[in-house]
Amino acid sequence: DTAVSQTPKYLVTQMGNDKSIKCEQNLGHDTMYWYKQDSKKFLKIMFSYNNKELIINETVPNRFSPKSPDKAHLNLHINSLELGDSAVYFCASSQGSVGNYGYTFGSGTRLTVV
Amino acid sequence: KNEVEQSPQNLTAQEGEFITINCSYSVGISALHWLQQHPGGGIVSLFMLSSGKKKHGRLIATINIQEKHSSLHITASHPRDSAVYICAVRSGGYMKTSYDKVIFGPGTSLSVIP
Repeated sequence: DTAVSQTPKYLVTQMGNDKSIKCEQNLGHDTMYWYKQDSKKFLKIMFSYNNKELIINETVPNRFSPKSPDKAHLNLHINSLELGDSAVYFCASSQGSVGNYGYTFGSGTRLTVV
Repeated sequence: KNEVEQSPQNLTAQEGEFITINCSYSVGISALHWLQQHPGGGIVSLFMLSSGKKKHGRLIATINIQEKHSSLHITASHPRDSAVYICAVRSGGYMKTSYDKVIFGPGTSLSVIP
Protein backbone atom coordinates (compact mmCIF):
# COMPACT_ATOMS: atom_id res chain seq x y z
CA ASP A 1 0.00 0.00 0.00
CA THR A 2 2.15 2.82 -1.38
CA ALA A 3 2.22 6.00 0.71
CA VAL A 4 3.19 8.43 -2.07
CA SER A 5 2.57 7.15 -5.57
CA GLN A 6 3.56 8.76 -8.82
CA THR A 7 2.51 7.86 -12.31
CA PRO A 8 3.94 7.20 -14.73
CA LYS A 9 7.28 5.82 -13.55
CA TYR A 10 8.85 6.40 -16.97
CA LEU A 11 7.82 8.87 -19.63
CA VAL A 12 9.46 9.28 -23.04
CA THR A 13 8.06 11.98 -25.24
CA GLN A 14 8.94 14.27 -28.09
CA MET A 15 9.85 17.92 -27.85
CA GLY A 16 6.87 20.20 -28.01
CA ASN A 17 4.42 17.76 -26.47
CA ASP A 18 2.35 18.42 -23.36
CA LYS A 19 2.45 15.84 -20.59
CA SER A 20 1.24 15.35 -17.03
CA ILE A 21 2.66 13.52 -14.05
CA LYS A 22 0.30 12.53 -11.27
CA CYS A 23 0.97 12.20 -7.57
CA GLU A 24 -1.23 10.88 -4.80
CA GLN A 25 -0.54 10.37 -1.10
CA ASN A 26 -2.60 8.34 1.35
CA LEU A 27 -0.84 9.52 4.50
CA GLY A 28 -3.26 12.29 5.35
CA HIS A 29 -0.45 14.84 4.96
CA ASP A 30 -1.43 18.42 4.24
CA THR A 31 1.62 19.48 2.24
CA MET A 32 2.86 18.12 -1.08
CA TYR A 33 5.90 18.97 -3.16
CA TRP A 34 7.43 18.53 -6.57
CA TYR A 35 11.20 18.23 -6.88
CA LYS A 36 13.39 17.95 -9.97
CA GLN A 37 16.61 15.92 -10.01
CA ASP A 38 18.82 16.75 -12.94
CA SER A 39 21.42 14.62 -14.70
CA LYS A 40 24.01 15.60 -12.11
CA LYS A 41 21.72 14.21 -9.40
CA PHE A 42 21.14 17.64 -7.92
CA LEU A 43 17.71 17.97 -6.30
CA LYS A 44 15.79 21.20 -6.51
CA ILE A 45 12.37 22.07 -5.20
CA MET A 46 9.86 23.27 -7.77
CA PHE A 47 6.54 23.68 -6.00
CA SER A 48 4.94 23.16 -2.64
CA TYR A 49 1.24 23.08 -1.85
CA ASN A 50 -0.31 23.21 1.61
CA ASN A 51 -3.99 22.30 1.79
CA LYS A 52 -4.34 22.97 -1.95
CA GLU A 53 -2.69 26.39 -1.63
CA LEU A 54 0.59 27.16 -3.41
CA ILE A 55 3.24 28.16 -0.85
CA ILE A 56 6.52 27.67 -2.69
CA ASN A 57 7.00 28.44 -6.33
CA GLU A 58 10.65 28.40 -7.22
CA THR A 59 11.91 29.88 -10.44
CA VAL A 60 10.61 27.39 -12.94
CA PRO A 61 9.36 28.15 -16.44
CA ASN A 62 5.65 28.87 -16.58
CA ARG A 63 5.35 25.87 -18.90
CA PHE A 64 5.20 23.94 -15.63
CA SER A 65 1.84 24.19 -13.92
CA PRO A 66 1.02 22.32 -10.74
CA LYS A 67 -2.57 21.49 -9.91
CA SER A 68 -3.87 20.29 -6.57
CA PRO A 69 -7.52 19.21 -6.78
CA ASP A 70 -7.43 18.16 -3.12
CA LYS A 71 -4.79 17.82 -0.45
CA ALA A 72 -4.11 14.17 -1.38
CA HIS A 73 -3.21 14.96 -4.99
CA LEU A 74 -0.65 17.19 -6.65
CA ASN A 75 -0.28 16.86 -10.39
CA LEU A 76 2.36 18.45 -12.59
CA HIS A 77 1.49 19.50 -16.10
CA ILE A 78 4.25 20.47 -18.50
CA ASN A 79 3.54 22.29 -21.75
CA SER A 80 5.77 22.46 -24.81
CA LEU A 81 8.36 20.04 -23.47
CA GLU A 82 12.01 20.87 -24.09
CA LEU A 83 15.13 18.68 -24.08
CA GLY A 84 16.27 20.36 -20.86
CA ASP A 85 13.16 19.14 -19.07
CA SER A 86 14.62 15.62 -19.10
CA ALA A 87 15.11 14.72 -15.45
CA VAL A 88 13.68 12.65 -12.65
CA TYR A 89 10.72 14.33 -10.97
CA PHE A 90 9.94 13.40 -7.38
CA CYS A 91 6.74 14.04 -5.54
CA ALA A 92 6.80 14.17 -1.74
CA SER A 93 4.50 14.94 1.14
CA SER A 94 4.80 16.03 4.74
CA GLN A 95 2.55 16.95 7.61
CA GLY A 96 3.01 20.66 8.08
CA SER A 97 4.63 23.20 5.83
CA VAL A 98 7.27 24.78 8.00
CA GLY A 99 9.89 22.12 7.70
CA ASN A 100 9.49 20.62 11.11
CA TYR A 101 8.35 17.28 9.79
CA GLY A 102 10.04 14.66 7.68
CA TYR A 103 9.21 14.02 4.07
CA THR A 104 7.85 10.92 2.37
CA PHE A 105 8.94 10.65 -1.23
CA GLY A 106 7.41 8.98 -4.22
CA SER A 107 9.58 6.69 -6.32
CA GLY A 108 10.13 9.28 -9.03
CA THR A 109 9.13 9.76 -12.66
CA ARG A 110 11.95 9.61 -15.17
CA LEU A 111 11.07 12.00 -17.98
CA THR A 112 13.04 11.78 -21.21
CA VAL A 113 12.39 14.35 -23.91
CA VAL A 114 13.67 13.39 -27.35
CA LYS B 1 29.22 28.92 -3.88
CA ASN B 2 26.22 26.78 -2.93
CA GLU B 3 24.26 27.77 0.13
CA VAL B 4 24.48 24.14 1.28
CA GLU B 5 27.75 22.28 1.01
CA GLN B 6 28.55 18.68 1.83
CA SER B 7 31.79 16.84 2.42
CA PRO B 8 33.15 14.56 1.32
CA GLN B 9 31.67 14.36 -2.15
CA ASN B 10 32.53 10.67 -2.42
CA LEU B 11 33.40 8.22 0.30
CA THR B 12 34.50 4.59 0.19
CA ALA B 13 34.61 2.67 3.45
CA GLN B 14 35.24 -0.87 4.60
CA GLU B 15 32.37 -2.69 6.20
CA GLY B 16 32.27 -1.99 9.93
CA GLU B 17 33.89 1.45 9.74
CA PHE B 18 32.45 4.52 11.44
CA ILE B 19 31.40 7.06 8.84
CA THR B 20 30.83 10.79 9.09
CA ILE B 21 29.25 12.98 6.44
CA ASN B 22 29.25 16.72 6.95
CA CYS B 23 26.88 19.45 5.89
CA SER B 24 27.43 23.18 6.23
CA TYR B 25 25.06 25.93 5.23
CA SER B 26 25.18 29.69 4.97
CA VAL B 27 21.52 30.68 5.44
CA GLY B 28 19.24 30.90 8.45
CA ILE B 29 17.18 27.75 8.68
CA SER B 30 14.08 26.45 10.37
CA ALA B 31 15.01 22.79 9.87
CA LEU B 32 17.61 20.52 8.33
CA HIS B 33 16.87 17.19 6.73
CA TRP B 34 19.05 14.22 5.93
CA LEU B 35 17.87 12.12 3.00
CA GLN B 36 19.13 8.83 1.61
CA GLN B 37 18.89 8.06 -2.09
CA HIS B 38 19.34 4.40 -2.93
CA PRO B 39 21.17 3.25 -6.06
CA GLY B 40 17.75 2.46 -7.57
CA GLY B 41 16.76 6.11 -7.18
CA GLY B 42 14.29 5.97 -4.31
CA ILE B 43 14.61 8.67 -1.65
CA VAL B 44 14.05 8.10 2.05
CA SER B 45 13.87 10.80 4.68
CA LEU B 46 16.24 9.84 7.51
CA PHE B 47 16.12 12.74 9.94
CA MET B 48 14.66 16.16 10.46
CA LEU B 49 16.61 18.33 12.90
CA SER B 50 16.17 21.80 14.27
CA SER B 51 18.54 21.37 17.23
CA GLY B 52 20.66 18.84 19.07
CA LYS B 53 20.96 15.23 18.10
CA LYS B 54 18.80 12.37 16.87
CA LYS B 55 19.51 8.65 16.68
CA HIS B 56 17.84 5.93 14.70
CA GLY B 57 19.44 2.52 14.74
CA ARG B 58 23.02 2.87 13.54
CA LEU B 59 22.44 6.41 12.29
CA ILE B 60 23.07 9.53 14.32
CA ALA B 61 22.49 13.09 13.16
CA THR B 62 23.68 16.19 14.95
CA ILE B 63 23.28 19.87 14.28
CA ASN B 64 25.06 22.94 15.60
CA ILE B 65 22.89 25.94 14.79
CA GLN B 66 25.52 28.51 15.84
CA GLU B 67 28.14 26.97 13.58
CA LYS B 68 25.62 26.23 10.80
CA HIS B 69 26.82 22.68 10.58
CA SER B 70 25.33 19.21 10.72
CA SER B 71 26.85 15.76 10.67
CA LEU B 72 25.45 12.36 9.81
CA HIS B 73 27.22 9.43 11.42
CA ILE B 74 26.87 5.77 10.54
CA THR B 75 28.20 3.27 13.04
CA ALA B 76 29.23 -0.27 12.04
CA SER B 77 28.71 0.51 8.35
CA HIS B 78 27.31 -2.17 6.08
CA PRO B 79 27.23 -2.54 2.28
CA ARG B 80 23.48 -1.87 2.36
CA ASP B 81 24.33 1.65 3.60
CA SER B 82 25.78 2.37 0.14
CA ALA B 83 23.74 5.28 -1.17
CA VAL B 84 23.85 9.00 -1.77
CA TYR B 85 23.21 11.02 1.39
CA ILE B 86 21.68 14.43 0.85
CA CYS B 87 21.46 17.31 3.28
CA ALA B 88 18.57 19.74 2.76
CA VAL B 89 17.77 22.90 4.66
CA ARG B 90 14.57 24.79 4.94
CA SER B 91 15.31 28.50 5.14
CA GLY B 92 13.00 31.34 5.89
CA GLY B 93 10.84 31.93 8.90
CA TYR B 94 8.74 29.67 11.04
CA MET B 95 5.57 31.00 9.49
CA LYS B 96 4.07 29.77 6.28
CA THR B 97 5.42 32.24 3.71
CA SER B 98 5.71 32.39 0.01
CA TYR B 99 9.49 32.76 0.22
CA ASP B 100 10.19 29.79 2.46
CA LYS B 101 12.85 27.88 0.53
CA VAL B 102 14.20 24.36 0.52
CA ILE B 103 17.83 24.10 -0.54
CA PHE B 104 19.57 20.81 -1.19
CA GLY B 105 23.21 19.97 -0.85
CA PRO B 106 25.00 18.22 -3.70
CA GLY B 107 24.98 14.86 -1.94
CA THR B 108 27.67 12.52 -0.66
CA SER B 109 28.05 9.22 -2.48
CA LEU B 110 28.91 6.46 -0.01
CA SER B 111 30.15 3.06 -1.00
CA VAL B 112 30.70 0.45 1.71
CA ILE B 113 32.84 -2.47 0.64
CA PRO B 114 32.44 -5.90 2.24
